[in-house]
Amino acid sequence: GNSVTQMEGPVTLSEEAFLTINCTYTATGYPSLFWYVQYPGEGLQLLLKATKADDKGSNKGFEATYRKETTSFHLEKGSVQVSDSAVYFCALRGAGGSYIPTFGRGTSLIVHP
Amino acid sequence: GAGVSQSPSNKVTEKGKDVELRCDPISGHTALYWYRQSLGQGLEFLIYFQGNSAPDKSGLPSDRFSAERTGGSVSTLTIQRTQQEDSAVYLCASSLGVGGSGANVLTFGAGSRLTVL
Repeated sequence: GNSVTQMEGPVTLSEEAFLTINCTYTATGYPSLFWYVQYPGEGLQLLLKATKADDKGSNKGFEATYRKETTSFHLEKGSVQVSDSAVYFCALRGAGGSYIPTFGRGTSLIVHP
Repeated sequence: GAGVSQSPSNKVTEKGKDVELRCDPISGHTALYWYRQSLGQGLEFLIYFQGNSAPDKSGLPSDRFSAERTGGSVSTLTIQRTQQEDSAVYLCASSLGVGGSGANVLTFGAGSRLTVL
């Protein structure tokens, strides 16, 4: 079945540091890939997505590239802010069969001033 | 409404009691999902509704859990004879359906936090 593995947190950074949160997946075919973000006290919301190999999703300074060869979709940001402190979830949605999105366990990011 | 609405936002109950959690999806979204978020466990899929099709119940952890969706809109998740391990945040999400780019993106509610004493 489909699965998503992401690095365990918490990830603790100083403001303006570079961020990478690793995500790898297992799926048949060509799934769509997503990063969702959950700010404190709020529901999950879509951060970015990519629907085919080599696509780059980007939003709010965050980027992730769909790498079919390494089955990865790592999240990056060049300079984090305190307001980026949240839990980040990597997810995939299968290309056929099950349309139910599969989520990783989430990675907590804490950014200090 | 503009977003996915869930109620109650917080529920404390005693072991053995039944609870009902409600989800009101975005108008026009035909797909509705329930997930459970436990501490350190990520999102666990529970049940999926798509239009008038039979729901996918493959994620329900036991027969104490059930859900229905009336009129293709509001959904209720029911947990009977609650146990302490049922304590979690129950998340509802909706999407446009199974086809097209809009179907890929889920819009989540803020969740219902259930505490079983």
